[in-house]
Amino acid sequence: DAGVIQSPRHEVTEMGQEVTLRCKPISGHNSLFWYRQTMMRGLELLIYFNNNVPIDDSGMPEDRFSAKMPNASFSTLKIQPSEPRDSAVYFCASRPGQGRTEAFFGQGTRLTVV
Amino acid sequence: AQSVTQLDSQVPVFEEAPVELRCNYSSSVSVYLFWYVQYPNQGLQLLLKYLSGSTLVKGINGFEAEFNKSQTSFHLRKPSVHISDTAEYFCAVSALYGGSQGNLIFGKGTKLSVKP
Repeated sequence: DAGVIQSPRHEVTEMGQEVTLRCKPISGHNSLFWYRQTMMRGLELLIYFNNNVPIDDSGMPEDRFSAKMPNASFSTLKIQPSEPRDSAVYFCASRPGQGRTEAFFGQGTRLTVV
Repeated sequence: AQSVTQLDSQVPVFEEAPVELRCNYSSSVSVYLFWYVQYPNQGLQLLLKYLSGSTLVKGINGFEAEFNKSQTSFHLRKPSVHISDTAEYFCAVSALYGGSQGNLIFGKGTKLSVKP
């Protein structure tokens, strides 16, 4: 298996533009996480899906952020409109079970908003 | 809700010395506990996990951690570090029950720097 695949790896965009980050989880995994990593805040959980259903979205910063998981093999994280403070590395992770098992991380998307 | 506190943001240590990275957690429900490692410009990889049973768990690369329920701690240790252990280490918890069952919450990380 190729692991968790995130695209793009790097994204530079201007303030106010819409940004869409993509994630393909490992086949057969039924939990999916989106995280944001910054120097100041560390690794923050944004949203957690189980069986394509959002279970915990309390970490989503504000209405500018939205996440979807239309099927078991694809998820998106959208920021509209983007702001410079959204600059961070965004990670997607997937897990085969609920809780007991290891989560596997993608390589991340480095987002820079100028 | 769960939270994780990693008390040291940076730990410098000489090669072949022992190291302990500290982790404390807070949760209103029982949790599973994990340590992950992140090398530069990469995602996170699992080092070890505590689910139940023996409170001392062993992981990859010679690391081990001890779960202490009364102190709500899960400190990571290695008796002799190598240069290649230089990385950032994250402690994480996952709730067994409740509305956020199965979530995975991380601490802010500890940067381990091993010097020759």
